[in-house]
Amino acid sequence: DTGVSQDPRHKITKRGQNVTFRCDPISEHNRLYWYRQTLGQGPEFLTYFQNEAQLEKSRLLSDRFSAERPKGSFSTLEIQRTEQGDSAMYLCASSWEDRAYGYTFGSGTRLTVV
Amino acid sequence: KQEVTQIPAALSVPEGENLVLNCSFTDSAIYNLQWFRQDPGKGLTSLLLIQSSQREQTSGRLNASLDKSSGRSTLYIAASQPGDSATYLCAISLKYNFNKFYFGSGTKLNVKP
Repeated sequence: DTGVSQDPRHKITKRGQNVTFRCDPISEHNRLYWYRQTLGQGPEFLTYFQNEAQLEKSRLLSDRFSAERPKGSFSTLEIQRTEQGDSAMYLCASSWEDRAYGYTFGSGTRLTVV
Repeated sequence: KQEVTQIPAALSVPEGENLVLNCSFTDSAIYNLQWFRQDPGKGLTSLLLIQSSQREQTSGRLNASLDKSSGRSTLYIAASQPGDSATYLCAISLKYNFNKFYFGSGTKLNVKP
């Protein structure tokens, strides 16, 4: 297993466009998390899944954001009508159901909205 | 709201020096605490994970301690090397909501050759 994979690594988009990111977790992990990190700050929680169920969403996740994990494996995060304030690093992490083992993060997707 | 604070925000040391990074948190009901390393423009690499029942964890030149009563954790790096230059983040999860981590803003470390 190569760890948590995220695609693309970088995305530049024009304001108002829709973007979609993909995350492939470690295969044995049934929990998947999305975080957002802006420059100079620590990551902030967006949402998490246990298998295919989205169990918690942050208030940061506005109506323009949607996340899915259709078969309990990979996940997608879509941002509609992007705004300049959406520019950030979007990080995906996965874990065993027993969180005592902590998280494993992917390399992130860097989004720039111009 | 859980607050996680990391001091200092930036640190520059000469190679070979031992150093301590600090992390403080406001809620003592932690489930676990994890230290991460982040290189510029990259994702997070896990360094050490401390369960709430533990006082410290060690890996190579790294040692992390946890004091729940005072709301503090430290990351000790022995014999620092230029390759240790990165941002170090601490993150906690809470017993009553362990489905998310709360992160500090990190300490940016520069080890000069």
